Amino acid sequence: QVQLRESGPGLVKSSETLFLTCTVSGGSISISRYYWDWIRQPPGKGLEWIGSIHETGTTDYNPSLKSRVTISVDTSKNQFSLMLTSVAAADTAVYFCARHGGLPIWGQGTTVSVSA
Amino acid sequence: NFMLTQPHSVSESPGKAVTISCTRSSGNIASNYVQWYQQRPGSSPTNVIYEDNQRPSGVPDRFSGSLDSSSNSASLTISGLTTEDEADYYCQSYDSNNWVFGGGTRLTVL
Repeated sequence: QVQLRESGPGLVKSSETLFLTCTVSGGSISISRYYWDWIRQPPGKGLEWIGSIHETGTTDYNPSLKSRVTISVDTSKNQFSLMLTSVAAADTAVYFCARHGGLPIWGQGTTVSVSA
Repeated sequence: NFMLTQPHSVSESPGKAVTISCTRSSGNIASNYVQWYQQRPGSSPTNVIYEDNQRPSGVPDRFSGSLDSSSNSASLTISGLTTEDEADYYCQSYDSNNWVFGGGTRLTVL
């Protein structure tokens, strides 16, 4: 059974860069039908898609975040990562990694707070 | 680009059925698969319907998904409501390879 788990710092200072990693277990990240995504949810708000990556390295980003986001994949570690630059208070959220293509699978999420 | 519009809230009594709509603003609702997610308070979203009408294993058959081309919308119907169904429900589809989420619907079972 495929599982996804997010990891990274729970606290990031304003204007710095956030790095999160998603580790995929129970299955390979190198299956062509799947895309691997990052989604976030600010406190008390709805879901916002950040971007996705394919095992070939092809990426798509939310236009509203595109200038600050980079998603990368490391097939040797069965992981993919999110880098978000110049964070601000509005980036405080629960960050989820997910798989799409067929049955969606999500991680449990990791809370990221941005401090002044 | 398109938007997905959901009612802000719905409520119904235990044992009854409720339908939550998700209307696509432009383009054909059937052009891209629709997913539905349930999010209970304090928990992460879980998928209850994928690819318009497919149920993941473990999701009761009280949950069903459908499309309506006349209203360009997708619907999630939950029958035999219980208090455990009280949650936020989000629809999601794709614009090219970009995800689009609806704003979410708060279901109250009372």
